Amino acid sequence: EPEVTQTPSHQVTQMGQEVILRCVPISNHLYFYWYRQILGQKVEFLVSFYNNEISEKSEIFDDQFSVERPDGSNFTLKIRSTKLEDSAMYFCASTPSPSDTQYFGPGTRLTVL
Amino acid sequence: QKEVEQNSGPLSVPEGAIASLNCTYSDRGSQSFFWYRQYSGKSPELIMFIYSNGDKEDGRFTAQLNKASQYVSLLIRDSQPSDSATYLCAVLTNDYKLSFGAGTTVTVRA
Repeated sequence: EPEVTQTPSHQVTQMGQEVILRCVPISNHLYFYWYRQILGQKVEFLVSFYNNEISEKSEIFDDQFSVERPDGSNFTLKIRSTKLEDSAMYFCASTPSPSDTQYFGPGTRLTVL
Repeated sequence: QKEVEQNSGPLSVPEGAIASLNCTYSDRGSQSFFWYRQYSGKSPELIMFIYSNGDKEDGRFTAQLNKASQYVSLLIRDSQPSDSATYLCAVLTNDYKLSFGAGTTVTVRA
């Protein structure tokens, strides 16, 4: 069964450093998402992406964040200058159409020191 | 105002019992509703989705939707220790993002 994959599973970085989180969505899916979950809190929407453009973004998704689909398979989330409060699990999700079920990857745990 | 609210839990049930999870949402225009299961440190895993008013059954799980009351529930019948997890109610908003509740943690006692 096709799955969303994410790398790395755990990323430790120093405050102020740039990180890139990678996702490979399910191959026939066209809509991609990033969510995050701070420890002990609820899952929060960050951004949706379709046809090489951001469709929606939350207020969390400020200028420090960017997304890209650099090739036909990868979908990346970049945080330019990490802050302590960026420490969280970051989940990528994909779906064939926006009203369909979103399937989540295993997540990347980001720890900012 | 919180968009999606769940009964806070934690919910502890004996093995074989029914676990009942509740969720309310604020956006009356929402059309699609999902229950995800999340084990500690893992990603959300889809249990069920429901679009229409009424009940939808899948094995030991039954989802119930009442759009007039803006209420979604999940029943887990014959609860097993492996059902111990946090259950997330998620509502698809009009701009096609998932809005999650805080989750209800269920513990099934053997």
